Amino acid sequence: AAGVIQSPRHLIKEKRETATLKCYPIPRHDTVYWYQQGPGQDPQFLISFYEKMQSDKGSIPDRFSAQQFSDYHSELNMSSLELGDSALYFCASTQGEGTEAFFGQGTRLTVV
Amino acid sequence: GQNIDQPTEMTATEGAIVQINCTYQTSGFNGLFWYQQHAGEAPTFLSYNVLDGLEEKGRFSSFLSRSKGYSYLLLKELQMKDSASYLCAVRDLSTGTASKLTFGTGTRLQVTL
Repeated sequence: AAGVIQSPRHLIKEKRETATLKCYPIPRHDTVYWYQQGPGQDPQFLISFYEKMQSDKGSIPDRFSAQQFSDYHSELNMSSLELGDSALYFCASTQGEGTEAFFGQGTRLTVV
Repeated sequence: GQNIDQPTEMTATEGAIVQINCTYQTSGFNGLFWYQQHAGEAPTFLSYNVLDGLEEKGRFSSFLSRSKGYSYLLLKELQMKDSASYLCAVRDLSTGTASKLTFGTGTRLQVTL
């Protein structure tokens, strides 16, 4: 069965650079979530999209932005990267309510 | 918003039973999920409760009491591979938007011989 696909799996950037993370949800899933997970920490909700519209916003820095496209894939754009942005970034997708969220394998971002 | 509390760490013996508790406070509760996460990997879905009671799925069971804001995950016949973090997540509709999952801090379970 198709799963949530994230790319790239690993990314190394320097401070003040820009990064773009991509997420391809499971087919027919209409909701996408982005989470940030630092070492030894729980996943922190960043932002979500439902039917291509932003549905909720968490602790996402102003330096970050995201969108969901017509094919339901989503991109997280991160600018002016800081060392503290180094983390695992997970994307998850669901189909409507009352269903579990399926997670992608994550993108490990390292800022040096 | 909501507060979700879980014990930080637990240790149990292979073959034993362990119960991981989760308490939460939310104004728009719409379901509670348990996920398992091995270090550096994506969380994987274990169970979902939206009504009070016990949901059983093989060696894993999850219980919910909405009036108490309480859930637990029960793991039976523990195996070494069950050593992982267990995340309690609550779906909240109080913001009036589509479902949003908020995770607790996770419980790191160590299974020993």
